[in-house]
Amino acid sequence: DTEVTQTPKHLVMGMTNKKSLKCEQHMGHRAMYWYKQKAKKPPELMFVYSYEKLSINESVPSRFSPECPNSSLLNLHLHALQPEDSALYLCASSQSANEGRHTGELFFGEGSRLTVL
Amino acid sequence: AQSVSQHNHHVILSEAASLELGCNYSYGGTVNLFWYVQYPGQHLQLLLKYFSGDPLVKGIKGFEAEFIKSKFSFNLRKPSVQWSDTAEYFCAVNENRDDKIIFGKGTRLHILP
Repeated sequence: DTEVTQTPKHLVMGMTNKKSLKCEQHMGHRAMYWYKQKAKKPPELMFVYSYEKLSINESVPSRFSPECPNSSLLNLHLHALQPEDSALYLCASSQSANEGRHTGELFFGEGSRLTVL
Repeated sequence: AQSVSQHNHHVILSEAASLELGCNYSYGGTVNLFWYVQYPGQHLQLLLKYFSGDPLVKGIKGFEAEFIKSKFSFNLRKPSVQWSDTAEYFCAVNENRDDKIIFGKGTRLHILP
C-alpha cells in the first residue's frame, strides 16, 4: 500500500467540465509532485511544489491549475480539457531539496485515471 | 537540461536468465539515480537508489545496479529473473540541488514461465 492517497481513482469529464484531482500524504514531506503518464509511456513531470510554493512548472497548459493548500495536500484543478489530456495523473511526494536531507526518492500514489470525452 | 536514456524498450527473457537493463544520463554534476518498477496494475515503487558511496547498490527482490561515473551509466542487473519480475522498469535522475526528477522512457520486461 502506498502512503500517498489520490482521489478519485477514476474520473470521466467532458471538455466543458471543471473538476479537481486530490492528493494527500502524511509522511512530512515538503515536496509534492504531479506527473502525467500515458499508456506505455514514462511519467512526465508537470508541477513541483516545495514548501507549499510552486517551484517547477514544466510549461503545462493553463487548463491545468495546481494548488497546494498545506504541506499535506496537493490539488490539480482541471478546466476545459481536451481528449488528449486523458491519462493517468500521478501524485508523488519526497523530502525537499531545501531540507538538506534531500534524497529525491519519490513516493507515488496509485494515480487518478482521467478520461476526457 | 538533464535527460535519461534507456536503451532497451522491450525485453523478453526466460525464467532464470540473467538481466541487465541499460540507463545513461546526461548531467555532468552530482546526481541521484533511481530505478523504479511498475508491476501490472500497480503504482510506481522504488527498486533501488544511488546517492553517494559504494557505486554498487543493492535493492529489493535481488536487483542491483552499478553507477559508473565515467560512462554516465546506472545499469540494472539481476542474476536470475523470475516470472514475477514481469513489469515496466524506469530509470530516473535527480540533480542533487533541486526537486526535479526525470524519468527515462522505460523498459517493458516480460518473463516467460
